[in-house]
Amino acid sequence: LAKTTQPISMDSYEGQEVNITCSHNNIATNDYITWYQQFPSQGPRFIIQGYKTKVTNEVASLFIPADRKSSTLSLPRVSLSDTAVYYCLVGDMNGGFKTIFGAGTRLFVKA
Amino acid sequence: DGGITQSPKYLFRKEGQNVTLSCEQNLNHDAMYWYRQDPGQGLRLIYYSQIVNDFQKGDIAEGYSVSREKKESFPLTVTSAQKNPTAFYLCASRQTDQETQYFGPGTRLLVL
Repeated sequence: LAKTTQPISMDSYEGQEVNITCSHNNIATNDYITWYQQFPSQGPRFIIQGYKTKVTNEVASLFIPADRKSSTLSLPRVSLSDTAVYYCLVGDMNGGFKTIFGAGTRLFVKA
Repeated sequence: DGGITQSPKYLFRKEGQNVTLSCEQNLNHDAMYWYRQDPGQGLRLIYYSQIVNDFQKGDIAEGYSVSREKKESFPLTVTSAQKNPTAFYLCASRQTDQETQYFGPGTRLLVL
């Protein structure tokens, strides 16, 4: 299982773009990169997933360089409600039943 | 609505008592998971199950037990051997060919 490293915490202000980077130097060829968001006292929820280059949905964008050893979650124009913990996971869709959540990145959005 | 339910939302355990946390899913997912989360920490894997009647220990299985008799159900028992059970417990499920896990709302376990 590829280990991931993220910053412990980040601060931002409303309306700013936030970029959270995750390092995964040992990512395997078949691994996908998945990001989750967790609010206090709730279960994590899926945000975005990608394999290479760039993926965008209505919530965020995910940038993955060619070597895939890192990825960056980009949240456009954050609001107070984006204050949460964000987890980066790396795994294989077809065989990686055991998954590892790290400590995540605590994003605090200020007014 | 499809999803995962966990009950109860809050659970109190007395010393030496076994308690069981319920997790049910109607997503028709093969794989199910149990995680423990302590305050300010990430999720740690307790047990996971790839298919009915099969389950494997995660990183912190000591003091816990599970069963998987039905595809939609994956109950977790916190035994008296778990000396520090106070935590937030999360259940999740996943379709075999997908990486995304779907989480329940969680159960908060407190010791009296």
